[in-house]
Amino acid sequence: KAGVTQTPRYLIKTRGQQVTLSCSPISGHRSVSWYQQTPGQGLQFLFEYFSETQRNKGNFPGRFSGRQFSNSRSEMNVSTLELGDSALYLCASSLFTAVLSDTQYFGPGTRLTVL
Amino acid sequence: AQSVTQLGSHVSVSEGALVLLRCNYSSSVPPYLFWYVQYPNQGLQLLLKYTSAATLVKGINGFEAEFKKSETSFHLTKPSAHMSDAAEYFCAVSDIGTGANSKLTFGKGITLSVRP
Repeated sequence: KAGVTQTPRYLIKTRGQQVTLSCSPISGHRSVSWYQQTPGQGLQFLFEYFSETQRNKGNFPGRFSGRQFSNSRSEMNVSTLELGDSALYLCASSLFTAVLSDTQYFGPGTRLTVL
Repeated sequence: AQSVTQLGSHVSVSEGALVLLRCNYSSSVPPYLFWYVQYPNQGLQLLLKYTSAATLVKGINGFEAEFKKSETSFHLTKPSAHMSDAAEYFCAVSDIGTGANSKLTFGKGITLSVRP
């Protein structure tokens, strides 16, 4: 079974631009979560989508948004990019059985550099 | 809110030596705890997880962790380090307060170096 895929793997943007990152979950997984990883702040939860609905949201400004499609694929968007948005953005998918503790499976990430 | 603390940012061991990576958690309810490993330029890979079924959890690559409620700890160990174990290790707790495990709170991570 294919793992979580993220595209693109690397991205360079300039301040003020916007960017869209894509994530395809493992087949059959319905929950997709996004995390930001930076050297200073570590791994921080952005948001989670399930059945095209945002269920959880982290403490990030409104410039960060996301969506999920009917096939569970997800995109996240960052508008008006700032230098501090440079980070590795990780996507994770899980089954969400609501009974057992689901394991989140991570993709390789998208490395965003803002110049 | 749940949280985890990983003491120290870097651990160095000799090949063949015991690996011990510490993690302490804070949670008002019995937590779900995870250890993930990240190799350079890669995403996170699950090593093992605690879901209250057993306090000693065995994971992949010879790693195991013991849940100790009295010490609020979930330390990761491996009896004999291998050069391929060099990576960054993250302890995480899930936000079961929402009824789902969709939100993980991570520790700062520990970089493990293995000396030949």
